[in-house]
Parts: sequence; C-alpha cells; structure tokens
Amino acid sequence: EAGVVQSPRYKIIEKKQPVAFWCNPISGHNTLYWYRQNLGQGPELLIRYENEEAVDDSQLPKDRFSAERLKGVDSTLKIQPAELGDSAVYLCASSLSWTGNTEAFFGQGTRLTVV
Amino acid sequence: AQSVTQLDSQVPVFEEAPVELRCNYSSSVSVYLFWYVQYPNQGLQLLLKYLSGSTLVKGINGFEAEFNKSQTSFHLRKPSVHISDTAEYFCAVSDFKAGKSTFGDGTTLTVKP
Repeated sequence: EAGVVQSPRYKIIEKKQPVAFWCNPISGHNTLYWYRQNLGQGPELLIRYENEEAVDDSQLPKDRFSAERLKGVDSTLKIQPAELGDSAVYLCASSLSWTGNTEAFFGQGTRLTVV
Repeated sequence: AQSVTQLDSQVPVFEEAPVELRCNYSSSVSVYLFWYVQYPNQGLQLLLKYLSGSTLVKGINGFEAEFNKSQTSFHLRKPSVHISDTAEYFCAVSDFKAGKSTFGDGTTLTVKP
C-alpha cells in the first residue's frame, strides 16, 4: 500500500514569492492534516480536513496561507507571499477518521527554505 | 488546552544499553497518548499508542511505554538499544472528542557504538 506522498521534497524560494505544496493521502483516508515543523520542534497543526471540508483551521495564518482539498482526496497548501519565518518542514498526514484514537500516517515532508 | 513536555532534548547512549525517553503531558480532558519516531529524511511513523486498558504498552522495534495517570507521564523505554534506533522521538497527545493532537518538541536519541 502506498503511503502519503508529498511533493516537492525540497523547495528554496526568495521571500515574497509564492510557493505550493502537494499531498496525496493514503487511499480511503477521509482525514487529512497539514502540519508545520520548525527546526528543533514538534509538528504543529495548520489545518485538518474531513473529506473536502476544512474542520479545523484555527492555526492557519489566513493572511498568507491557503489550502484546498478538492474532491476530498489530494490537497495543496499555498503560501503567498512567503516570509523568512516560513522556513520549515511542511508535513502532510492522513488517517481513516478524525477521532483521537486513530493513527495518523505521515508523508516525508517538504522542506521549505525562504531566502 | 493540552501540552506535552519532553524532558530531554538529546539522549546519547551506548549500544546495548537501556534507554528511557521521558514525556509529561497536561490536559483538561481525557487524552490518548502516542509515541512517534522520525528517522533521518523520513516522515513520522507510529511507535506505539495508549488508548485504554493495560498501562504498559508494547510497540514496534522492542519499545514499550508506561502510562502513569497520577503523574501524567508516558515514558518510553527500551532495554537494549541498537545503532539503528538513532532517530528523533516525539510524544503526542490527542483528546478524546475533538481528535486534536499536540506534539512535544522531540528527543534526539543517538546510539553510539
């Protein structure tokens, strides 16, 4: 079974430029998460989807970040414009359901460097 | 609100020695507890989880953890580590109802020959 697939693996951009990350979750997983992991810290939730609906986006900086999950499968996370402080690893994860006892499966992440 | 504190940011240990990675949590609601491992250049993968029942939980690769409700701790242990256990380990809590997960800042385990 294929795992969570993210692309690109690495991205270097200049500040003020836009950037987008793509995630393909495990087939059949209704719940999809985007996390940001700063250097030396644990993942922090940015947004959670149940199918195509964003049910928890309280930590998403909506002035510059946006996300979508069309048709409840693939998802994209966009930053426009990027700032130096956005340098981090962006992780996508998926699970069968949103309940707290469900294991999340993580992709390898996209390492973003803003220069 | 919930929070997770991993008490050691780095743990160096020699091969075949025992190891304990400490995790304390706080939450105003009942939670589930998890340990994830992140090998270099890989995503996080589940090591073990506590949902209910026996407070001693066994996971993959010979790891186990003990849930202590009175001390709000969920320490991870392995009796004999291998070089291949070198990785970043994350403790996480997830509340019963909302399913919201909070991660600790991680502990880097370095196993030396």
